[in-house]
Amino acid sequence: EVQLVESGGGLVQPGGSLRLSCAASGFTFTNYWMNWVRQAPGKGVEWVANIKQDGSEKYYVDSVKGRFTISRDNAKNSLYLQMNSLRAEDTAVYYCARGEYDASGSFPDWGQGTLVTVSS
Amino acid sequence: QSALTQPASVSGSPGQSITISCTGTSSDVGGYNYVSWYQQHPGNAPKLIIYDVSSRPSGVSNRFSGSKSGNTASLTISGLQAEDEADYYCSSYTSSITWVFGGGTRLTVL
Repeated sequence: EVQLVESGGGLVQPGGSLRLSCAASGFTFTNYWMNWVRQAPGKGVEWVANIKQDGSEKYYVDSVKGRFTISRDNAKNSLYLQMNSLRAEDTAVYYCARGEYDASGSFPDWGQGTLVTVSS
Repeated sequence: QSALTQPASVSGSPGQSITISCTGTSSDVGGYNYVSWYQQHPGNAPKLIIYDVSSRPSGVSNRFSGSKSGNTASLTISGLQAEDEADYYCSSYTSSITWVFGGGTRLTVL
């Protein structure tokens, strides 16, 4: 059974930093692109970033470029999102989502999410 | 990276069929057959119900179907059931090797 468990969310002040983690199990982590997707309270879903199997390619939504960094540790079956210079509009539930072998694949598996609140 | 356009809400009675549209551009929906649809019930993570425009993952009811014409994709739910009441999101792969989602559609089963 595929499991994706996010952690690291919490309350942070504007301008602060936070690092999210996603522990993956139940599948061969090194075979898949991985993604972060977020959902602001009461709002729609927004794709944030993705990373290739070997970490050699990373892509971001424009609103987080230069502030967020996606990474992965294949030895630990883990995905990360380093978030710097956080803004109120970054407040959201952040989901870790498994992609497919190709970047164009959909997201068949999701974690339950971790809430990030940016507020003073 | 503008969001795809979906109607904010749709409704239907049990047993009826409804269709949700998802409009993008030639750089996303119109340019690739990589449109997905997700169902989200309150408090839960999104669940994949359609991928690659019209394919269904194992275990998803055949009452859900997808299609695409030009820059617009569509999700049709036939034989509407109470459990179908949820939010639905479309998403598309883009020419920037990124993904874009629609704003979401709230389905109400009357």
